[in-house]
Amino acid sequence: GAVVSQHPSWVICKSGTSVKIECRSLDFQATTMFWYRQFPKQSLMLMATSNEGSKATYEQGVEKDKFLINHASLTLSTLTVTSAHPEDSSFYICSASGVRFTDTQYFGPGTRLTVL
Amino acid sequence: QKEVEQNSGPLSVPEGAIASLNCTYSDRGSQSFFWYRQYSGKSPELIMFIYSNGDKEDGRFTAQLNKASQYVSLLIRDSQPSDSATYLCAVNGEAAGNKLTFGGGTRVLVKP
Repeated sequence: GAVVSQHPSWVICKSGTSVKIECRSLDFQATTMFWYRQFPKQSLMLMATSNEGSKATYEQGVEKDKFLINHASLTLSTLTVTSAHPEDSSFYICSASGVRFTDTQYFGPGTRLTVL
Repeated sequence: QKEVEQNSGPLSVPEGAIASLNCTYSDRGSQSFFWYRQYSGKSPELIMFIYSNGDKEDGRFTAQLNKASQYVSLLIRDSQPSDSATYLCAVNGEAAGNKLTFGGGTRVLVKP
């Protein structure tokens, strides 16, 4: 149990385009989803926390207009990187916690974004 | 000051030996403690969680928690080359809601 999927697993896009990443909880209802970014050989950096039906809470320094998060249902959250630039190239990982285990986060497999 | 501290390693362990990983945290109100394993290029995978002082065993893994000393550890018995990865300690603090604070991770290398 507690399986989280992400799509796509990797994406290459041109500078200036927008990219949407989906995060789904497959076998549980995710009341909270988290979005992280990880640069090579660095630790996870929390970008934002989203609760179903509410606006996301962004960490300090994360541009909410650039990284749009939507948590429309208890099984789906999306992260849209708008007007992507090469410096946005990174490994984006979502995690989810559910009703039965509110403090345990289960991670998706991640999405590797490369912006040319 | 970093809130969750781990030795970055690498921790080199012979195959079959015990790997001992340590983690200290600063928030005395922390309630929940997690160990994740992250292979290079992959996302973190939950290994264990522990809430109470003492030991918790799951297969070859044992988590140990000492809240008085603000210390949590992970033992990996009979280490295998497939255990070579970065191990992340994460803490859920009382004040943090359900956000996790991660340590920087300890890289473990198990040599055949």
